[in-house]
Amino acid sequence: DTEVTQTPKHLVMGMTNKKSLKCEQHMGHRAMYWYKQKAKKPPELMFVYSYEKLSINESVPSRFSPECPNSSLLNLHLHALQPEDSALYLCASSQGDRSQPQHFGDGTRLSIL
Amino acid sequence: GESVGLHLPTLSVQEGDNSIINCAYSNSASDYFIWYKQESGKGPQFIIDIRSNMDKRQGQRVTVLLNKTVKHLSLQIAATQPGDSAVYFCAENRGQAGTALIFGKGTTLSVSS
Repeated sequence: DTEVTQTPKHLVMGMTNKKSLKCEQHMGHRAMYWYKQKAKKPPELMFVYSYEKLSINESVPSRFSPECPNSSLLNLHLHALQPEDSALYLCASSQGDRSQPQHFGDGTRLSIL
Repeated sequence: GESVGLHLPTLSVQEGDNSIINCAYSNSASDYFIWYKQESGKGPQFIIDIRSNMDKRQGQRVTVLLNKTVKHLSLQIAATQPGDSAVYFCAENRGQAGTALIFGKGTTLSVSS
């Protein structure tokens, strides 16, 4: 079992809906990440939080809004998504040192109707 | 064992063979590298990592080799098993302050018994 827990595992939503993806880790990690992964492609970085502060935003459209309520939790708020946003959304965490591995959850499979 | 000189999207081997998966990285300043295994419906799973001050690192049935001169990374899997069937990604840090990773294209390993 992964130590990074993501909910829900699957989500289907319309283009006008508002939903949130949730991620939780209890490894004491200080950095958390959101990635987007399309089928048969590598994960692509979206956001990085370091010590609960947003440190990297990879020019992600504003319809994706990240939030880090505390060091264990990471949310991704979704609003007015497009069909091309359908993908696997992965959360990861790491100790925050640049020579430490990131540990991934199993993702949320998102489908936009 | 089967080996790949250049990156190929797929690699098929027989159970018990040794597998070699190759990866070329892009940034000369990258100093930390990771191999991940991703099974269908799962998130990437950490396999092994290596820092740029090393040429080789061994784990259980896996070995990572780093050639900084040609910016090449390889993953060797000994006595490949059907459970090793998955997509394998190499990842590098961005060679700057921060913990963001860049993923390679991925190689699908298929093991037949």
